Amino acid sequence: DAGITQSPRHKVTETGTPVTLRCHQTENHRYMYWYRQDPGHGLRLIHYSYGVKDTDKGEVSDGYSVSRSKTEDFLLTLESATSSQTSVYFCAISGGGSGNTIYFGEGSWLTVV
Amino acid sequence: AQSVAQPEDQVNVAEGNPLTVKCTYSVSGNPYLFWYVQYPNRGLQFLLKYITGDNLVKGSYGFEAEFNKSQTSFHLKKPSALVSDSALYFCAVPGAGSYQLTFGKGTKLSVIP
Repeated sequence: DAGITQSPRHKVTETGTPVTLRCHQTENHRYMYWYRQDPGHGLRLIHYSYGVKDTDKGEVSDGYSVSRSKTEDFLLTLESATSSQTSVYFCAISGGGSGNTIYFGEGSWLTVV
Repeated sequence: AQSVAQPEDQVNVAEGNPLTVKCTYSVSGNPYLFWYVQYPNRGLQFLLKYITGDNLVKGSYGFEAEFNKSQTSFHLKKPSALVSDSALYFCAVPGAGSYQLTFGKGTKLSVIP
């Protein structure tokens, strides 16, 4: 398994509260990603990072922010959680390049009530 | 825009029979194509990828995929299905310019004993 650790793995939070999900990698890969998975939508990219302090938006970035202060850590923050952000969140890593394989973490299940 | 489509939400196959999970793609230039598998409550696991060369790509767990340029397809196959192959399968293609992957909506494979 790729050295990716997501925390927390499960969280229930209330609407309007901030939530931070953490992704930690031990592979020293340059690229890191946050995806969300929802029934009928497959996986959709939220944000990605191509280096320390270098991040960009993905397909569904509204309501989310990210930070990457170290190569190994990529944080996803929901500033004010909403019920529509109830989902499974996956962190992924890659060495970069269109042919490079992307490896996924085990997921973080977030429920916003 | 680069995209893939998985035309079947669900595929049922009897154990021991050959299985096919379909994927079609829409890309500019030479495509890179990926297959991933997701077991319940787990992250996505890489199965195989097509970069260039042989149209038949062999991957993990006895799976293979056939690249067909004229039909713009990259179908996943296995000669003899196992009950343990029951899972969600995703086809993916690199997005433009960001080294991320764009996924199909997934196909649920059920192998019936």
